[in-house]
Amino acid sequence: QKEVEQDPGPLSVPEGAIVSLNCTYSNSAFQYFMWYRQYSRKGPELLMYTYSSGNKEDGRFTAQVDKSSKYISLFIRDSQPSDSATYLCAMSKYGNKLVFGAGTILRVKS
Amino acid sequence: DAGVIQSPRHEVTEMGQEVTLRCKPISGHDYLFWYRQTMMRGLELLIYFNNNVPIDDSGMPEDRFSAKMPNASFSTLKIQPSEPRDSAVYFCASTLGGRSNQPQHFGDGTRLSIL
Repeated sequence: QKEVEQDPGPLSVPEGAIVSLNCTYSNSAFQYFMWYRQYSRKGPELLMYTYSSGNKEDGRFTAQVDKSSKYISLFIRDSQPSDSATYLCAMSKYGNKLVFGAGTILRVKS
Repeated sequence: DAGVIQSPRHEVTEMGQEVTLRCKPISGHDYLFWYRQTMMRGLELLIYFNNNVPIDDSGMPEDRFSAKMPNASFSTLKIQPSEPRDSAVYFCASTLGGRSNQPQHFGDGTRLSIL
């Protein structure tokens, strides 16, 4: 079993929809949680960072962490075609040794 | 500011050949990471350096893989001999400081195909 599980999709939604992306994990020692966005033929870029449980909002993006359920989510409001990308969750116990999910491919149709 | 620079962008070679991937981190960053991305296994950390010293190479798949960082502005990942199962996109990333809230800045990767 992988330490971090993420549905690869693809997830296809119409423009303006609310998107929900999720990851589950098995290692309770993880305490730092991130979402990276990766456009085609590009490297990943950090989108959101959360420490421990709770919510964090940045513009149209909201990250949620539920450590009791070992479940993290990324919500995208008013999705745009430019949001079409692969979204990777990542987490670490300490420092910057990250474990990534497989990534979910998101397609926002105009 | 220039980001992380990787070369070559694409590499196609035959099985058994030596492959060298190169990375120039962002100036001033003290951590450098090498990752491999495949459809089957996703993005995996191979090795990372702090101040040019390898800290954790537990992700390096086999002795055929080696990585060096001779100075703060250059790192290489070598595969010798290469095998078809090494085909993947290899990413280099750098960051400043050892805390998790520091973003890792990725290059655009080297797409490696071993025939």
